Amino acid sequence: RKEVEQDPGPFNVPEGATVAFNCTYSNSASQSFFWYRQDCRKEPKLLMSVYSSGNEDGRFTAQLNRASQYISLLIRDSKLSDSATYLCVVLHPGSARQLTFGSGTQLTVLP
Amino acid sequence: EADIYQTPRYLVIGTGKKITLECSQTMGHDKMYWYQQDPGMELHLIHYSYGVNSTEKGDLSSESTVSRIRTEHFPLTLESARPSHTSQYLCASTQGGGYTFGSGTRLTVV
Repeated sequence: RKEVEQDPGPFNVPEGATVAFNCTYSNSASQSFFWYRQDCRKEPKLLMSVYSSGNEDGRFTAQLNRASQYISLLIRDSKLSDSATYLCVVLHPGSARQLTFGSGTQLTVLP
Repeated sequence: EADIYQTPRYLVIGTGKKITLECSQTMGHDKMYWYQQDPGMELHLIHYSYGVNSTEKGDLSSESTVSRIRTEHFPLTLESARPSHTSQYLCASTQGGGYTFGSGTRLTVV
């Protein structure tokens, strides 16, 4: 089983739609959680950290459920520019490699 | 403005050549990483370093080597390039928490 699992998609949604991505992680000692965005042929960039109480940044809402070892990202009123691959990323301090990346969920927002 | 720099951005090279991919960061981060990523595929960790004179191999078996003589510099070397090394190589750094990635080097071995 992979340490971080994501639905690979692709998710094809119309502009203005609300879309949700899910992610599960296997290590209960995981400490910090992030969502990264990666555009085609570009480097990953930090989208937002995920806090235990849930957090919102404009149209983006991230939630964490430690009991279920589950992270989510909700995008409201999706824009064409939201088209990208969204990576779920988990930090567990016991791992020498520190951050573990999911394989990503591809989103395409259609006009 | 990028605080982590990778050069070259693109490289096309013949089989058997020795190449070094450069990565430098100006943030004073102790931890640095090299990832390999094929188009549309996931990131694979190939090397990491927790500080000067510290280097470790990652999850993906790689014929490359790295060095960390200075905090800011983490070059990756391929002694003899092969077509199977064709890929994108991404460098990242952190002081703890989220990573900052360089723009990557897209390597093609012909």
